[in-house]
Amino acid sequence: EIVLTQSPATLSLSPGERATLSCRASQSVSIYLAWYQQKPGQAPRLLIYDASNRATGIPARFSGSGSGTDFTLTISSLEPEDFAVYYCHQRYNWPVTFGPGTTVDIK
Amino acid sequence: EVRLVESGGALVQPGGSLRLSCAASGFTFSGYWMTWVRQTPGKGLEWVAGIAQNGVDQHYADSVKGRFSISRDNAKNSLYLQMESLRAEDTAVFYCAREMLRAYGQIDYWGQGALVSVSS
Repeated sequence: EIVLTQSPATLSLSPGERATLSCRASQSVSIYLAWYQQKPGQAPRLLIYDASNRATGIPARFSGSGSGTDFTLTISSLEPEDFAVYYCHQRYNWPVTFGPGTTVDIK
Repeated sequence: EVRLVESGGALVQPGGSLRLSCAASGFTFSGYWMTWVRQTPGKGLEWVAGIAQNGVDQHYADSVKGRFSISRDNAKNSLYLQMESLRAEDTAVFYCAREMLRAYGQIDYWGQGALVSVSS
């Protein structure tokens, strides 16, 4: 099983600041990694797929990078609606796995 | 517009059974891998099972293998999860989700979730 490790567990920032979230895979997933945003009481929402492609309707302040085992989600300038939990996800190998999540909260 | 609507969530006793359904609309259901993902209250996401377009190729998480069964009816645009021998640790919100139509397609759409509570 490919284990996804996310860091930090919590990121406390102010609106307008830059957020950098990390996801590390225990073995290569090539580029087949996605990022999701989840707010309380809501289903996850796809932000980035195949490591660096923004999903439809996702603002340009969200960007993804990486390949192999190391991936990064960057939010260039945090908006009030961006404070949420972010998960990474791989579908490269069975079983499908998710990271434990990074909470981005207001400092 | 892609829509996935789960139903069938309920309170069930340990050892009991339950069947979840997911009604899909807004896309060609028969063309997509579909999956179930669950989320324990206040915790992270756990993939449960996935099924190929033709319903033959299926995969399960070790935690549910032998107890849960995923199926689909392409004529009814519906996905199902049959759950047997339910345990307290199966308590979760279960999401129906669609995988992207590409190699190693990650999930692109999620339903709103169905709550399954296992308790005596």
